[in-house]
Amino acid sequence: DTAVSQTPKYLVTQMGNDKSIKCEQNLGHDTMYWYKQDSKKFLKIMFSYNNKELIINETVPNRFSPKSPDKAHLNLHINSLELGDSAVYFCASSQEHLGREYEAFFGQGTRLTVV
Amino acid sequence: AQSVTQLDSQVPVFEEAPVELRCNYSSSVSVYLFWYVQYPNQGLQLLLKYLSGSTLVKGINGFEAEFNKSQTSFHLRKPSVHISDTAEYFCAVSRTGFQKLVFGTGTRLLVSP
Repeated sequence: DTAVSQTPKYLVTQMGNDKSIKCEQNLGHDTMYWYKQDSKKFLKIMFSYNNKELIINETVPNRFSPKSPDKAHLNLHINSLELGDSAVYFCASSQEHLGREYEAFFGQGTRLTVV
Repeated sequence: AQSVTQLDSQVPVFEEAPVELRCNYSSSVSVYLFWYVQYPNQGLQLLLKYLSGSTLVKGINGFEAEFNKSQTSFHLRKPSVHISDTAEYFCAVSRTGFQKLVFGTGTRLLVSP
């Protein structure tokens, strides 16, 4: 009954490969995000989608391509993986309006290791 | 643009002692403020948030934080910590009505017996 779920939890792959991370939320939220947490634990937003439309792209390389087939899903596809892509990727969702429920719910993270 | 500074990268404390984790922010517009906790190999969980109203905000697990607009601070406090509070704590800010979170670099709280 997880609110925001990501798969896989761990991903080890070689340089140059293409991989995808999936995210699903069952909270009925209309906004979803991808955040990257580097080896120093620093968290930074990568993308944000609202009702399947891209609203934030934080100067992420073109090798990263988010896809939102519907407002409950936001997948992240990464082409030509590089060593520097190794990180923990977090999916999150929130409801885009002012109110008591204004908060972002995070998934458990996907630890990507590029070797 | 908004930014968040967490001056302490690590805070060691003994069990049952009080703790304060510091957070300062910078923004030219009104902001919302948040504290998240990350336990080892886990996602982020919201501890508390300040949107408006009372500047003293109470959250889960006995934590509270006080918004101080003049000092642009949002320090997190707990009067008596437990071993289970050992985790990474992140302060975050977002522009009002715009939900992109800008995080601080985190403070690792280490509680020992």
